[in-house]
Amino acid sequence: QKEVEQNSGPLSVPEGAIASLNCTYSDRVSQSFFWYRQYSGKSPELIMSIYSNGDKEDGRFTAQLNKASQYVSLLIRDSQPSDSATYLCAVRGSGSARQLTFGSGTQLTVLP
Amino acid sequence: GAGVSQTPSNKVTEKGKYVELRCDPISGHTALYWYRQSLGQGPEFLIYFQGTGAADDSGLPNDRFFAVRPEGSVSTLKIQRTERGDSAVYLCASSRGANTEAFFGQGTRLTVV
Repeated sequence: QKEVEQNSGPLSVPEGAIASLNCTYSDRVSQSFFWYRQYSGKSPELIMSIYSNGDKEDGRFTAQLNKASQYVSLLIRDSQPSDSATYLCAVRGSGSARQLTFGSGTQLTVLP
Repeated sequence: GAGVSQTPSNKVTEKGKYVELRCDPISGHTALYWYRQSLGQGPEFLIYFQGTGAADDSGLPNDRFFAVRPEGSVSTLKIQRTERGDSAVYLCASSRGANTEAFFGQGTRLTVV
């Protein structure tokens, strides 16, 4: 059973702070990793993808991957109230198991 | 199209009825996924198509659920003898290939009464 674990939160940070969201996964041969943002009542929106160990930056977002520790994280710098949403970590396996397995999400609230 | 399109956006049906949910993926995307999401949970995998064939249907909960993608583009998720427990948001996503980024449609909210 492949699992993706996230702290469900809620996580609250003040505006302008760094929000740190964490995710662990059980399938050691997982190949690719994604972060989705989901506003209440809306569908998931892809914000970051990462395929190799290390950091990947895109604007205020940085994804970090450590395959040895089976750990992926998302940092949001200069958090804004508009970043308030649920953040979903998704992991894609290898071979025939190409579907994305999602965590249950972390609810983030950025306080003005 | 510009994005993944799902119809209808909302569906209310009576227990025991048959429903079809449609997904039109991004043009040129060969991979198509169906998920369902309950309140407070992450999306739960149902079935994955690569082209016309179901590459992985291990997430379908039982034989009341079936999905097709006859021409490798539009897909239909079919649910027979609906039950109240089938109420959820059904999400469709597509990706260019088996290892690329997947993009979601707006979902179909199914309510079984």
